[in-house]
Amino acid sequence: AQSVTQPDIHITVSEGASLELRCNYSYGATPYLFWYVQSPGQGLQLLLKYFSGDTLVQGIKGFEAEFKRSQSSFNLRKPSVHWSDAAEYFCAVADNYGQNFVFGPGTRLSVLP
Amino acid sequence: GAGVSQSPSNKVTEKGKDVELRCDPISGHTALYWYRQSLGQGLEFLIYFQGNSAPDKSGLPSDRFSAERTGGSVSTLTIQRTQQEDSAVYLCASSLGVRRATYAPRGYTFGSGTRLTVV
Repeated sequence: AQSVTQPDIHITVSEGASLELRCNYSYGATPYLFWYVQSPGQGLQLLLKYFSGDTLVQGIKGFEAEFKRSQSSFNLRKPSVHWSDAAEYFCAVADNYGQNFVFGPGTRLSVLP
Repeated sequence: GAGVSQSPSNKVTEKGKDVELRCDPISGHTALYWYRQSLGQGLEFLIYFQGNSAPDKSGLPSDRFSAERTGGSVSTLTIQRTQQEDSAVYLCASSLGVRRATYAPRGYTFGSGTRLTVV
């Protein structure tokens, strides 16, 4: 079965600074990878997903993520953080039959003005 | 509808009472999932419906929890004899299921959740 870890429970960055949120997965085959964001009081929103092809994936709100098979990682990045990016970010992995979705524990992002 | 709708958005109940949480998925989405998110925790899978197949109930924490999906659309999650540890946000999500050719799963669309507080 697949698993997901997000090593950082809480990250604080200044507005305008760059951001990288780490995600590591464990799965024997090529995984399907997702990043979701949950703003306070809101439901989860899909930021981006990786199925195959180009390992650098562009998402909404200026986010991107890079799939690195050798490192079993799918880190989320943004070159310049905005105050509205403060939220909880979840990495998720599904198996290649789409039968099991596993979420990481989440990383809470705080943004300083 | 345009999105996944969950009701109620907030529910406060007394310990020992039964509660029903409703999820109305996006029209045409064959897959429906229930998760719960306890305070400070990640998402915990509860149950998965895919079309007319038997649901995957492997995540239900006890026999007090049950869910059904009528007509392949609306789903109801029922918690009987609620306990304080059941307090959490219960999230529903739907998707188009998997692409048959590649088994690539589509992303979820989540509802805003039902915040359940057991007092």
